[in-house]
Amino acid sequence: AAGVIQSPRHLIKEKRETATLKCYPISRHDTVYWYQQGPGQDPQFLISFYEKMQSDKGSIPDRFSAQQFSDYHSELNMSSLELGDSALYFCASSRASDNEQFFGPGTRLTVL
Amino acid sequence: AQTVTQSQPEMSVQEAETVTLSCTYDTSESDYYLFWYKQPPSRQMILVIRQEAYKQQNATENRFSVNFQKAAKSFSLKISDSQLGDAAMYFCAYRSVLEYGNKLVFGAGTILRVKS
Repeated sequence: AAGVIQSPRHLIKEKRETATLKCYPISRHDTVYWYQQGPGQDPQFLISFYEKMQSDKGSIPDRFSAQQFSDYHSELNMSSLELGDSALYFCASSRASDNEQFFGPGTRLTVL
Repeated sequence: AQTVTQSQPEMSVQEAETVTLSCTYDTSESDYYLFWYKQPPSRQMILVIRQEAYKQQNATENRFSVNFQKAAKSFSLKISDSQLGDAAMYFCAYRSVLEYGNKLVFGAGTILRVKS
């Protein structure tokens, strides 16, 4: 079975530009999570969606927004990018009834 | 808020030997899930093992086992017969069971080096 798909895998942006990261969950998974992992750090939770509604929110900057669409894929929109936004962004998906989150390969964002 | 602490920034083990990675956590909840994730140089997050807090029996997955001490809020990972492919960053993680869409709370990670 296909795993969680994230696109793009690598993204290079300039300061103050915008970026959109996409996540396609595993089939029949209804919950999507976004995590940010800075260099040498542990993943930090940003936001999650259950059945297309925001279910939890972590340390996500106001410059970031996200949504989950009718086909359950999710997009993380990042505006006014800063150097500190350079990180690996993971998407994970699960079924709400299950305790395991399946991680995608991540999108490596570099802000110059 | 729950916190997860991994007090060993780095550990080394000889190939074929056994190593134990430590993890403690803080929570006021009585039921929850605990996980160990492996992150190799590819940066992919791979689930190694999970433990439901209501289960007293320690989880085991092949060469990987945990020592879950609920009262002490301790959740250590034992890797037996270490292999070169076990070299990676290992994260301990906590997940509440109270609501849907619950996030994982990670520890800072332990780098495991395997010597041949």
